[in-house]
Amino acid sequence: QQQVRQSPQSLTVWEGETAILNCSYEDSTFNYFPWYQQFPGEGPALLISISSVSDKKEDGRFTIFFNKREKKLSLHITDSQPGDSATYFCAASADTGNYKYVFGAGTRLKVIA
Amino acid sequence: EAAVTQSPRSKVAVTGGKVTLSCHQTNNHDYMYWYRQDTGHGLRLIHYSYVADSTEKGDIPDGYKASRPSQENFSLILELASLSQTAVYFCASSDRGAQNTLYFGAGTRLSVL
Repeated sequence: QQQVRQSPQSLTVWEGETAILNCSYEDSTFNYFPWYQQFPGEGPALLISISSVSDKKEDGRFTIFFNKREKKLSLHITDSQPGDSATYFCAASADTGNYKYVFGAGTRLKVIA
Repeated sequence: EAAVTQSPRSKVAVTGGKVTLSCHQTNNHDYMYWYRQDTGHGLRLIHYSYVADSTEKGDIPDGYKASRPSQENFSLILELASLSQTAVYFCASSDRGAQNTLYFGAGTRLSVL
């Protein structure tokens, strides 16, 4: 059972366009949602995160939109650059005391110059 | 200088053989994790530990053992390697507390033949 789902599996955009990556979850106890960015041959690294008390989090060209009622969130990458080409993982955690994260399957983004 | 170091970076093992993957962190973090990455599944938690000499089962622990002999070191052990355990394995560390960032190593690519 996949508790965190991501779509699309892969996405190709032109340089300068806005890439939109989607994520949904099932467990209503999840209250923290980090997005990790992974380049080929490397481990994932935290890109941006949001807690369930907010509906939007912005960091430069990266913005998370969060809809708690629908259990959905999305990562918007504006003015996409070839250097943004990577796999993006949506993750979720709850304040259950064991600090476990559940990851989605990832979206592979390719930005064409 | 990498704060989470995995060794080896790649390994070829034979079916039924024993495999040990090692992880060392210099972050002074209490929590350490072993994840497995497969195409289409994202990152799945195998074992984790929040204190030396203690380990906890993650979401897919079958076929794996873990050892945390010190705060800095965390090993993943495959006693009888199987073809289905071919994957990329990531170690991560995090500070104690909810909503803490996972710091990943560069990964170990394991091929079981």
